[in-house]
Amino acid sequence: DTEVTQTPKHLVMGMTNKKSLKCEQHMGHRAMYWYKQKAKKPPELMFVYSYEKLSINESVPSRFSPECPNSSLLNLHLHALQPEDSALYLCASSRPGLARQDTQYFGPGTRLTVL
Amino acid sequence: TQLLEQSPQFLSIQEGENLTVYCNSSSVFSSLQWYRQEPGEGPVLLVTVVTGGEVKKLKRLTFQFGDARKDSSLHITAAQPGDTGLYLCAGGVQGGKLIFGQGTELSVKP
Repeated sequence: DTEVTQTPKHLVMGMTNKKSLKCEQHMGHRAMYWYKQKAKKPPELMFVYSYEKLSINESVPSRFSPECPNSSLLNLHLHALQPEDSALYLCASSRPGLARQDTQYFGPGTRLTVL
Repeated sequence: TQLLEQSPQFLSIQEGENLTVYCNSSSVFSSLQWYRQEPGEGPVLLVTVVTGGEVKKLKRLTFQFGDARKDSSLHITAAQPGDTGLYLCAGGVQGGKLIFGQGTELSVKP
């Protein structure tokens, strides 16, 4: 099973709202990722968690706050977003530590619209 | 900075035609993945290649990894409308990060 699940599928929020995106995998992967993707562009890395610890933050604004409660779950907390943050947010997971097997498996994404 | 140059960016062909998409870099990658993505959905993994010179086949799709592990190609034989989508190559680098190509938008018309 190579499934990564994400909820919700769609999210519309105002600039003053607080919301969260959720990602889950049960493949035993210990690396999890958040990406942002604009239409017809490649995904842009936001955060990497390795063994539940934040290992990479690609200079993401603080209005995005990641959290990894356990090895299967990854959250992205959203607060005071801007309309330009509207995008498809993707979660991915992989087995870390195997340099020649960096395969990342992506979830279906959350389509976020900020009004 | 490691870059992956993917070409062509856009491809519109008729059903039954063959096509090749290329990913080239001046850097060496430990692995290279190919994904296919439909609008509003996440990228779906097609293949991972890890060994220089490796060739993998997935039905009508053939993937090659260059001998020096700096380039890769995806060849589709007898394209079908169901092959339509955004094709992404991505190279694995240190720290588990992926370097993505710019993507190839493929449209196969019946």
